[in-house]
Amino acid sequence: AQSVTQLGSHVSVSEGALVLLRCNYSSSVPPYLFWYVQYPNQGLQLLLKYTTGATLVKGINGFEAEFKKSETSFHLTKPSAHMSDAAEYFCAVSLYNFNKFYFGSGTKLNVKP
Amino acid sequence: DAGITQSPRHKVTETGTPVTLRCHQTENHRYMYWYRQDPGHGLRLIHYSYGVKDTDKGEVSDGYSVSRSKTEDFLLTLESATSSQTSVYFCAISESAQNYGYTFGSGTRLTVV
Repeated sequence: AQSVTQLGSHVSVSEGALVLLRCNYSSSVPPYLFWYVQYPNQGLQLLLKYTTGATLVKGINGFEAEFKKSETSFHLTKPSAHMSDAAEYFCAVSLYNFNKFYFGSGTKLNVKP
Repeated sequence: DAGITQSPRHKVTETGTPVTLRCHQTENHRYMYWYRQDPGHGLRLIHYSYGVKDTDKGEVSDGYSVSRSKTEDFLLTLESATSSQTSVYFCAISESAQNYGYTFGSGTRLTVV
């Protein structure tokens, strides 16, 4: 069975500070990895994804994530937080030739002025 | 959420009544999914469809049924609603989840009283 663990259900940072949201997965085969963002009362939007190739991937709104196979991690970072980044972030995993996702439980990001 | 519409957006229903939620897409995508979102659980897959009349169960399918008679419509039915089914329900579509990820609808907030 696959699983996705997001450390920290709530993360709080100051505006301008580094954002680091952690995601670890368990998978017996190389996964496809995704980060989604959810703003209040909205659906989820794709932030970035890793399928193959370069392990550092860049997404929208200045976010990036790095796939580290040895650590089974796909942490999401942004160098400088903005108030508009306040939202809930979900890490998700899918497997090759397997059209279903497994989602983490989510991390709510709070950005303090 | 261009190309995917959920209805209704909000519904309050009584315990024991049947409820049907609708997901409609205009993207002609093959795959459609129903998830429920609950605090602390992230998104959990209820049912999914990989074509007209082709559906399969997800991890939390008990008490739910689905139908897909046309490419564009995927219906989720709560056969006899219970308070534990109070949740936010999201529909998602995908041409190929592995490579492209999902596009999510705006969600249906269902309250069972």
